[in-house]
Amino acid sequence: LAKTTQPISMDSYEGQEVNITCSHNNIATNDYITWYQQFPSQGPRFIIQGYKTKVTNEVASLFIPADRKSSTLSLPRVSLSDTAVYYCLVGILTGGGNKLTFGTGTQLKVEL
Amino acid sequence: EAQVTQNPRYLITVTGKKLTVTCSQNMNHEYMSWYRQDPGLGLRQIYYSMNVEVTDKGDVPEGYKVSRKEKRNFPLILESPSPNQTSLYFCASRRTALVYEQYFGPGTRLTVT
Repeated sequence: LAKTTQPISMDSYEGQEVNITCSHNNIATNDYITWYQQFPSQGPRFIIQGYKTKVTNEVASLFIPADRKSSTLSLPRVSLSDTAVYYCLVGILTGGGNKLTFGTGTQLKVEL
Repeated sequence: EAQVTQNPRYLITVTGKKLTVTCSQNMNHEYMSWYRQDPGLGLRQIYYSMNVEVTDKGDVPEGYKVSRKEKRNFPLILESPSPNQTSLYFCASRRTALVYEQYFGPGTRLTVT
């Protein structure tokens, strides 16, 4: 499983765009990149998943450069309610007992 | 509403008193798993089940048991709880083992004294 490195914490203000970068230097060819969000006292929630280039949904965008050694979760125009921990997971599910490993994530704090 | 439910949400117990945390999902998902979350350690998988009657150990299975007799239910059993099992527990499910999107329950905060 590829090891991931994320900043421990980030601060932002309402209305700003927030970019959280995850490093995964030893990502394997078939690994996917998945991001989850966790609010205090709640279970994580799936945000977005990608393999290469750019993926966008109604919540966020995921940018993956050609070498795939890092990825950036972009949250447009954050609000106070985006204050949460964001996890970057890298791996591949091929059946059997495999899983995606959660690290300690990035604590995003959004202020007025 | 598609959801994963857990009960109880909060539990304080004493060392050695057997307990069960229930987990149920209404999405007909094949894959279910249990995690524990501790400060500084992230989420660690305890056990998982790829389908009915199929279970296997995750990263930290010691002191826990599970069963999967029905597709929707995946209870976590602590036969003889110890203080080091004090933690926040999450049940999760996903459609199959090959799907990346997981649905998590609300969590069970367990304190063992």
